[in-house]
Amino acid sequence: EVQLVESGGGLVQPGGSLRLSCAASGFTFSSYEMNWVRQAPGKGLEWVSYISSSHSTIYYADSVKGRFTISRDNAKNSLYLQMNSLRAEDTAIYYCARDAAGYLAPYYFDYWGQGTLVTVSS
Amino acid sequence: EIVMTQSPATLSVSPGERATLSCRASQSVSSNLAWYQQKPGQAPRLLIYGASTRATGAPARFSGGGSGTEFTLTISSLQSEDFAVYYCQQYNNWPPLTFGGGTKVEIK
Repeated sequence: EVQLVESGGGLVQPGGSLRLSCAASGFTFSSYEMNWVRQAPGKGLEWVSYISSSHSTIYYADSVKGRFTISRDNAKNSLYLQMNSLRAEDTAIYYCARDAAGYLAPYYFDYWGQGTLVTVSS
Repeated sequence: EIVMTQSPATLSVSPGERATLSCRASQSVSSNLAWYQQKPGQAPRLLIYGASTRATGAPARFSGGGSGTEFTLTISSLQSEDFAVYYCQQYNNWPPLTFGGGTKVEIK
């Protein structure tokens, strides 16, 4: 069974940093491209970042470019999101999501974790 | 950036009735469109990709249609478990991938 389990969320002050993790199981993690998608409280979905299976290709939304860094450790079956210079508008549930297509580009997502809540507030 | 617009924002439907949700793209996305269902407190679930291909496990009462800029998600006979928020997402032009604002399907 495919499982994605996020962790690392919490309350952080504006300007602070946080590192999210996503532990994957039930599939060959190293063969799949991965994404982070977020959802502000009561709002819709926003794609945040994409990483290819070999780390060679990475994309970011403009809203997080230069502040967030996506990475992965295929040996540990884990995906990460390093978030720096956090702002109030980064407050959201952060989901890791498996890319279904495998075309070295972000496509659509066939499995999602349960999410981890990040709250940026003083 | 491609803007995805969903309508209506809320759809009130009685169980057993048909529901049709719309999604419009600000420019053509070909058939590179997906639909997701999200229930309260849960992660989104993939229903449709390629505008009309049902994802594994998606019930046959869900069908997708359209291409270019106009898309629909149809639920042929609403079941109690179908009351949720539905999102469309384009993956034709990126970054960024973009989602619609969602349509909430509620019980009439």
